[in-house]
Amino acid sequence: QKEVEQNSGPLSVPEGAIASLNCTYSDRGSQSFFWYRQYSGKSPELIMFIYSNGDKEDGRFTAQLNKASQYVSLLIRDSQPSDSATYLCAVKMDIQGAQKLVFGQGTRLTINP
Amino acid sequence: DAEITQSPRHKITETGRQVTLACHQTWNHNNMFWYRQDLGHGLRLIHYSYGVQDTNKGEVSDGYSVSRSNTEDLPLTLESAASSQTSVYFCASSEDWTGDEQYFGPGTRLTVT
Repeated sequence: QKEVEQNSGPLSVPEGAIASLNCTYSDRGSQSFFWYRQYSGKSPELIMFIYSNGDKEDGRFTAQLNKASQYVSLLIRDSQPSDSATYLCAVKMDIQGAQKLVFGQGTRLTINP
Repeated sequence: DAEITQSPRHKITETGRQVTLACHQTWNHNNMFWYRQDLGHGLRLIHYSYGVQDTNKGEVSDGYSVSRSNTEDLPLTLESAASSQTSVYFCASSEDWTGDEQYFGPGTRLTVT
C-alpha cells in the first residue's frame, strides 16, 4: 500500500522559533511533493511544492526533499500565531497506472505567543 | 476573479436518499477531483476527471458517482446515502494534466442521519 506518513502532533512551537514538520513516503518513484496548510474549518491551501532534491525557499517557508531517504520536510522560520494550522504533506504517486495525489493525515501545529 | 465553489456548504440528509453535491470552477481547468476528509483518514480521493466526458474512480469510490458534461462542473452524487458517508467533501481542480498544484473549494459538510 502506498502511503504518506506524518506525525499528527500537536506540535507546539514558541512564537519566533523555527517549526519543523516532517513527512515520509513509501513510493521510491515519486517525483512531486506538496505542502498544504489547512486552518480549522477551512479548505487546504497549497503553500509549497518541490520536485528536486535539496531545499526550496519561499519567504519564511523552506521545503526540503531527500529522495534517497524518502523524506520531505517543511521549515517555518520566525513562526507566527497565524501559522497555527494543520499542515498536510501530499505526494504524487503511481497507483494502478495513474498518477494520484496521496495525502498524509496532517500535523497540527500550534504557535504559542 | 476565477474561483472554485461548492454547494451546498452544509447538508443534512436521511439514510437511503440520493444526494448531489455541486462543484463549479471558473479557471477553465481540465482536471477536477473529489475528496472526503475524515478524522484519522486525512484526505481520500473519491473520483476524478481529466476532461469533459472523462471520469475515473479513486480509492473510496463505492457508493459515489460523478459526471462531467462541461469543463466547469463536476457534481458528486451519493446514490443511496449511508451514515458512513457523513464527512466533509472537498472539490479540487488543477490545470496541469498530471494534476499537480491542486486548488480546493471551500468544502461541503454532509451529515447522514
